[in-house]
Amino acid sequence: DTGVSQDPRHKITKRGQNVTFRCDPISEHNRLYWYRQTLGQGPEFLTYFQNEAQLEKSRLLSNRFSAERPKGSFSTLEIQRTEQGDSAMYLCASSPGPDIGNTIYFGEGSWLTVV
Amino acid sequence: AQSVAQPEDQVNVAEGNPLTVKCTYSVSGNPYLFWYVQYPNRGLQFLLKYITGDNLVKGSYGFEAEFNKSQTSFHLKKPSALVSDSALYFCAVRSLFSGGYNKLIFGAGTRLAVHP
Repeated sequence: DTGVSQDPRHKITKRGQNVTFRCDPISEHNRLYWYRQTLGQGPEFLTYFQNEAQLEKSRLLSNRFSAERPKGSFSTLEIQRTEQGDSAMYLCASSPGPDIGNTIYFGEGSWLTVV
Repeated sequence: AQSVAQPEDQVNVAEGNPLTVKCTYSVSGNPYLFWYVQYPNRGLQFLLKYITGDNLVKGSYGFEAEFNKSQTSFHLKKPSALVSDSALYFCAVRSLFSGGYNKLIFGAGTRLAVHP
């Protein structure tokens, strides 16, 4: 396994700009998750996919956020019209399937700073 | 709703001494409990999990955790701390109910500082 891969690792953007993060899950993991982590806090769930289907979205995921997983492999998380409050680390994770006992493996995260 | 509490923001321990990082949880039904570690500016690394069976779970890097159903706790332990164990530790839970099946719910984290 090469692990969960995220790109870019760091992004600085001006308020109002759009940003997109990419996540490549562990091969053959059909579950993919996005979390957000701010300084001093634990990760907070944003959304998850089962293959290409987005099955749950948190209330944290405002209408400026959109996530896709078009072919059930990699995923993108786009934030439109960024605000300073969007500054956080965005974590992608994957697991082999829906079994509640499956381990969820996280990537290294993508740091977003909105200035 | 399910939740996880990590009552200590920071734990300080001397190298070579045993360490404990505390975690308590609140869920409907049986809990599925996880510990992750995060080094500075890095993602989360899986340490261990409790699904069912033996209450003492062994994981990576010499860590272990004890599930205590009556106290709703899942404390992380290590017999002899290393300076390299210094990091941020997160406890997390999943459950079959309260919308917790499909996601991990994390505590706020505990910073472990191991001093030489």
